[in-house]
Amino acid sequence: GQQLNQSPQSMFIQEGEDVSMNCTSSSIFNTWLWYKQDPGEGPVLLIALYKAGELTSNGRLTAQFGITRKDSFLNISASIPSDVGIYFCAGQSINNDMRFGAGTRLTVKP
Amino acid sequence: DAGVIQSPRHEVTEMGQEVTLRCKPISGHDYLFWYRQTMMRGLELLIYFNNNVPIDDSGMPEDRFSAKMPNASFSTLKIQPSEPRDSAVYFCASRPHRDYLTDTQYFGPGTRLTVL
Repeated sequence: GQQLNQSPQSMFIQEGEDVSMNCTSSSIFNTWLWYKQDPGEGPVLLIALYKAGELTSNGRLTAQFGITRKDSFLNISASIPSDVGIYFCAGQSINNDMRFGAGTRLTVKP
Repeated sequence: DAGVIQSPRHEVTEMGQEVTLRCKPISGHDYLFWYRQTMMRGLELLIYFNNNVPIDDSGMPEDRFSAKMPNASFSTLKIQPSEPRDSAVYFCASRPHRDYLTDTQYFGPGTRLTVL
């Protein structure tokens, strides 16, 4: 089951606004991952983080691996309608154990 | 590469029937994972294989569920007999083995199972 606390559960924003979501855990992870899931599809990897403190960007997306290795955040700048979907964080430990957050459902109003 | 392929995409069956879900991982990937996604419990890992061998099946709900990987390019998840509470989206994912710290999982499109 889920051991990651992901927030917020949902967001309703206006096109052009920035978005921020985060994940926290009681456990340490070696890798933090952020996925996006569109309706009727499987999760697609957006960003992978491998080192504590790492800050990685992918276009308008920026994610950071927390220093304590127990948290991560994802920012989306200048949101557009196609950013709509469910965003999941996932933590992966050294023994292949992977846990997912409950997801953040993003709605972008044009 | 076509990515992870799952079939069928949708399955509707009646309680008590046997259900078989199929997965073809990305060629060259050594790891294969089966997940279940529901509104209540989110994404849950059911079982994963390394080089066709089941490594951890602690997430398999009960004996009605079984998974096999007869070769590197094919895996099945079987539910027998199926029950309404098994209704969910089942995802297959695969991952290469080059470096377990830096390689991540790639998901298939999922099979939406409805048990009436």
